[in-house]
Amino acid sequence: ETGVTQTPRHLVMGMTNKKSLKCEQHLGHNAMYWYKQSAKKPLELMFVYSLEERVENNSVPSRFSPECPNSSHLFLHLHTLQPEDSALYLCASSQDLQLAGGEEQFFGPGTRLTVL
Amino acid sequence: TQLLEQSPQFLSIQEGENLTVYCNSSSVFSSLQWYRQEPGEGPVLLVTVVTGGEVKKLKRLTFQFGDARKDSSLHITAAQPGDTGLYLCAGGTEDSNYQLIWGAGTKLIIKP
Repeated sequence: ETGVTQTPRHLVMGMTNKKSLKCEQHLGHNAMYWYKQSAKKPLELMFVYSLEERVENNSVPSRFSPECPNSSHLFLHLHTLQPEDSALYLCASSQDLQLAGGEEQFFGPGTRLTVL
Repeated sequence: TQLLEQSPQFLSIQEGENLTVYCNSSSVFSSLQWYRQEPGEGPVLLVTVVTGGEVKKLKRLTFQFGDARKDSSLHITAAQPGDTGLYLCAGGTEDSNYQLIWGAGTKLIIKP
């Protein structure tokens, strides 16, 4: 595997379910991100990790819980979600936290989440 | 609230035509990136511009950063069906090393 991988690619869950999204990067990067992508809206940054420490939690509801066990893996644990949480969830990584200077982010293919 | 207004939101044209996509803001950016996202995939970086007035070319794609570093444009010459996708712009600011300002995207369809 190369680049950034995400599993599952598609997920349908009820509002009372608990599920987890997984992201793995094979690039040796130090920073990892979770984004939410909804149609016709800008990407929403949810969480940022640098060297396995959470740097940012952008006022995300507690029904989303991130976990970064090591610099290559990132999880997003989901529980009691709402229908408006249906979206494409993208994981990304970058070498370091230098996005302001134009550092490249590498994105996974995303998990298409549908909450019934 | 910092915003990056992207236009048009949707564009469908015939193969061989030219087009321009715009990103505009009232904020000054330290860098401006353009990404392309194809269906079922994540965004992929096309270009980064960091200097006001900078112009970069990538085959038939020309990217320009405004002199004041508040806006950018993407021009495609002789569009091909392979150019079809969602084009996203994202600006970096001195306020944060990890929070980019994203445009809402331009969905581009090139018909053969």
